[in-house]
Amino acid sequence: EPEVTQTPSHQVTQMGQEVILRCVPISNHLYFYWYRQILGQKVEFLVSFYNNEISEKSEIFDDQFSVERPDGSNFTLKIRSTKLEDSAMYFCASSEGGGRQGTQYFGPGTRLLVL
Amino acid sequence: AQRVTQPEKLLSVFKGAPVELKCNYSYSGSPELFWYVQYSRQRLQLLLRHISRESIKGFTADLNKGETSFHLKKPFAQEEDSAMYYCALSPFSGSARHLTFGSGTQLTVLP
Repeated sequence: EPEVTQTPSHQVTQMGQEVILRCVPISNHLYFYWYRQILGQKVEFLVSFYNNEISEKSEIFDDQFSVERPDGSNFTLKIRSTKLEDSAMYFCASSEGGGRQGTQYFGPGTRLLVL
Repeated sequence: AQRVTQPEKLLSVFKGAPVELKCNYSYSGSPELFWYVQYSRQRLQLLLRHISRESIKGFTADLNKGETSFHLKKPFAQEEDSAMYYCALSPFSGSARHLTFGSGTQLTVLP
């Protein structure tokens, strides 16, 4: 069964450094999402992406964040200058359709630690 | 604004006992409700969604619009049901619709 994959599984970085988190959505899916979960807190929506552009973004998704689909398979989340509070588990998800067809399938997550 | 509340962080039941995981929501429009499950060291996976009206692994959930609830129930819990359960909501209309999650309930089924 096809799955969403994410790399790396863990990343440690210094405050102020740029990080890129990578995701490979399920191949026939059209909608892509990033969520994050700070330790002990809820899973929070960051951004959704469709047709090569951002569809929705949350208040968390400020100018430090960007997303890109650089080729036909990868979907990346870039944090330009990491802060301590960016330490979290980052989940990528994809869905085949939007609306009622849109069951979101999640990747295993990337655990980001900012020192 | 949309919000999902799961009042129980931890829930323990004995094998064979009924289990109910509570979920209440707040949303001004027409929502779609989901239950996601995360087994130990595994990814989040969809357990069920209210529009499907399915029973998955013996679990059911009914959307009660009057009480704004979507409680997850199983009549006879099994040890393999031990996991983290998240209730989630998304708007019923629109294209790319993000999920709003509750804080999760860790279910432990004791032998």
